[in-house]
Amino acid sequence: QSVLTQPPSVSGAPGQRVTISCTGSSSNIGAGYDVHWYQQLPGTAPKLLIYGNSNRPSGVPDRFSGSKSGTSASLAITGLQAEDEADYYCQSYDSSLSDNYVFGTGTKVTVL
Amino acid sequence: EVQLVQSGAEVKKPGESLKISCKGSGYSFTSYWIGWVRQMPGKGLEWMGIIYPGDSDTRYSPSFQGQVTISADKSISTAYLQWSSLKASDTAMYYCARFRAEYSSGWYYFDYWGQGTLVTVSS
Repeated sequence: QSVLTQPPSVSGAPGQRVTISCTGSSSNIGAGYDVHWYQQLPGTAPKLLIYGNSNRPSGVPDRFSGSKSGTSASLAITGLQAEDEADYYCQSYDSSLSDNYVFGTGTKVTVL
Repeated sequence: EVQLVQSGAEVKKPGESLKISCKGSGYSFTSYWIGWVRQMPGKGLEWMGIIYPGDSDTRYSPSFQGQVTISADKSISTAYLQWSSLKASDTAMYYCARFRAEYSSGWYYFDYWGQGTLVTVSS
């Protein structure tokens, strides 16, 4: 049972904006630990999408953006494209257990 | 170019032992942590543990402590994940990934991933 909760699924039409929430607690996001996001396309390995709440690695389109507030974080995808259909995971550090670099429960994004 | 190349798929019986590998290239293997992540069929990602190949310092998720062993051979830039006695519940995809521990910013994340090794345990 992950300590970072995400909605199981979100969907949107091409061109729309969708957001994915990542809800934590006072021992992880709320304690000031930053959030990172990964994209897992069907049948492939995860890929780093956002690090440090809002930073994009080289090559990640600026359609993807991240933010953090309080005990939650969000990933936004603007101008949704068919190739964005994937699973998305948030990840942070939880201080309630030693060295626990926890992942969120994951969100399936469907492009209608 | 940073690359992590994992060993191939394995099919094992319960009780058997197994060691899978992850070879790093394109960067200084001894200067970055390497982590292992489990993904059970149809499920999410689970952090298992990390190792610093430079000095073999190893940390385990409490959920996997005592269940697996993580090691590394820096002479061949390869990290390993091993089991002494597999169970059917170990059936999963296992990913290695380079782990960035940026203490000054408090950022701890996986920036490059291997292609995954599928482990199937069945009698």
